[in-house]
Amino acid sequence: GENVEQHPSTLSVQEGDSAVIKCTYSDSASNYFPWYKQELGKRPQLIIDIRSNVGEKKDQRIAVTLNKTAKHFSLHITETQPEDSAVYFCAARREWGADGLTFGKGTHLIIQP
Amino acid sequence: NAGVTQTPKFRILKIGQSMTLQCTQDMNHNYMYWYRQDPGMGLKLIYYSVGAGITDKGEVPNGYNVSRSTTEDFPLRLELAAPSQTSVYFCASSPRGDTQYFGPGTRLTVL
Repeated sequence: GENVEQHPSTLSVQEGDSAVIKCTYSDSASNYFPWYKQELGKRPQLIIDIRSNVGEKKDQRIAVTLNKTAKHFSLHITETQPEDSAVYFCAARREWGADGLTFGKGTHLIIQP
Repeated sequence: NAGVTQTPKFRILKIGQSMTLQCTQDMNHNYMYWYRQDPGMGLKLIYYSVGAGITDKGEVPNGYNVSRSTTEDFPLRLELAAPSQTSVYFCASSPRGDTQYFGPGTRLTVL
């Protein structure tokens, strides 16, 4: 089955700086890669996703890049703000499969004022 | 639309008790999922369903059962609760099996 590794487990950045979270996956058949943000005590919320036919996708301050050859993908957050503080999860799945997402263990992002 | 709703929000069980976690979605999604999230960890798939009457096991199905008699509902049954089942349980639904929308979760403690 799929295995998703996520690094770092904790990331502390100064407000206004950029943050990068990296994930690797094992199943070359995976082709859908979402990122979720989870605030304390809340449900995971989808913030951005990418499919394997695209190398990069942006949405305002958030971007995701995908390298299918190396089987890794990354989340980039620019101009970080206090409300970006949360736990971020990457995930992977085979888009034509019926089964669910395989998640990384999460990154606790701390924005220092 | 209420989206995905789950009940109860919190529950404490004694070892050996049973309970059903309820999940309902009003988006007419075919795909539904149950995940558990242990402290400091990512979510792990318990069971999933691709439509009414069709269910299948995920990564961690032992100790759980599901049914899917309607498109809207996907209850998760815990039989003979054990301390290892202490976790937060999230239900999710998806229109096509890719983007998933999560419910608010049920926090379960087994003592």
